[in-house]
Amino acid sequence: AQTVTQSQPEMSVQEAETVTLSCTYDTSESDYYLFWYKQPPSRQMILVIRQEAYKQQNATENRFSVNFQKAAKSFSLKISDSQLGDAAMYFCAYQEDSNYQLIWGAGTKLIIKP
Amino acid sequence: GAVVSQHPSRVICKSGTSVKIECRSLDFQATTMFWYRQFPKQSLMLMATSNEGSKATYEQGVEKDKFLINHASLTLSTLTVTSAHPEDSSFYICSARAGLDRGGVETQYFGPGTRLLVL
Repeated sequence: AQTVTQSQPEMSVQEAETVTLSCTYDTSESDYYLFWYKQPPSRQMILVIRQEAYKQQNATENRFSVNFQKAAKSFSLKISDSQLGDAAMYFCAYQEDSNYQLIWGAGTKLIIKP
Repeated sequence: GAVVSQHPSRVICKSGTSVKIECRSLDFQATTMFWYRQFPKQSLMLMATSNEGSKATYEQGVEKDKFLINHASLTLSTLTVTSAHPEDSSFYICSARAGLDRGGVETQYFGPGTRLLVL
């Protein structure tokens, strides 16, 4: 069965600095999608960024970028120029191409120090 | 992006009563919706997959008679917690499958969640 592992329960970063959140996953599939979701204190899940496994190019969304290493089954999220509003729980999630269910990591709590 | 609503946002009920939570896709049709439960400081736990016009598929360990799911239309799924007890207190989140987006990726949109407290 597919699994998603986030080994950092909590991370902290100084405002305006860069932070990287780690995520590894296990699958025998070749076609799948990976996501990073943000859950702020309001608890509304917000899609931050996604990556299609067949794409070699790392996805980027403004200050958010990923380092996707398919062979290593690693999918880290880099947040540049951290802002106070980035403080939240961040969840890594996996989805097979043929199955719409999301497999979730345990989450990483990101603290932004002013 | 597409919007998913949940109602109520929070509910307090007495032990033994039933509570219904609604999940609506406001500007798209969703043939599939998912119901999650989230305990404090934990990840989302998938409870069941709700398909329009058919019975829900429950995850292992989730009591289908306890958590009744109805997906009567393409825009509405309901979760009824029957004979609620304090251990059912939790945060319940729904998501709706919106199909392929412009990038060709299967996309889900999440409701804002419902906080249930059973006294």
